[in-house]
Amino acid sequence: GENVEQHPSTLSVQEGDSAVIKCTYSDSASNYFPWYKQELGKRPQLIIDIRSNVGEKKDQRIAVTLNKTAKHFSLHITETQPEDSAVYFCAATMTNNAGNMLTFGGGTRLMVKP
Amino acid sequence: GAVVSQHPSRVICKSGTSVKIECRSLDFQATTMFWYRQFPKQSLMLMATSNEGSKATYEQGVEKDKFLINHASLTLSTLTVTSAHPEDSSFYICSARVWTGNYGYTFGSGTRLTVV
Repeated sequence: GENVEQHPSTLSVQEGDSAVIKCTYSDSASNYFPWYKQELGKRPQLIIDIRSNVGEKKDQRIAVTLNKTAKHFSLHITETQPEDSAVYFCAATMTNNAGNMLTFGGGTRLMVKP
Repeated sequence: GAVVSQHPSRVICKSGTSVKIECRSLDFQATTMFWYRQFPKQSLMLMATSNEGSKATYEQGVEKDKFLINHASLTLSTLTVTSAHPEDSSFYICSARVWTGNYGYTFGSGTRLTVV
């Protein structure tokens, strides 16, 4: 099955700086790579996703890049703000079958210091 | 659209009792529901996959007789933690694949189970 590794496990940045979180996956058949932000006691909130037919996607301060050959994808947050502080999870799956679940990375605790 | 309603949001129960958690798809039909468990400061780990009208598929190490899953309709999946123990205290969350122009996944709001 799919295995997703995520680094770093904790990341502390100064407000206004950029943050980068990296993930690798094992199953070359995976075609969908979402990123989630989770606050304590809440459900994961989708912040951006990328599918295997594109290499990069951007939404305001958030961007994701995908390297299918190397089987890794990264989340980039620019101009970080204190409200970006949360735990971020990457995930991977194949969406072609309803029975294919999301496999999550181990999570990154991002702390943005004012 | 594509909302999954999960109840209860929090439950405290005594050791040895059973707790039922419900996930309802409000505006779509979920033939498959994924049940995850999340311990503090850890990631979401898949426990089981429930399929409407058939038996659930459990991940290795998850006791099927302890975590009973029922998916009797296309809009309701339930997880029952039987004979709960303090080590079952965790955040349980359901998820389903949805189509919103492209395939994605939606999550229930989670259930914080505390066993005392």
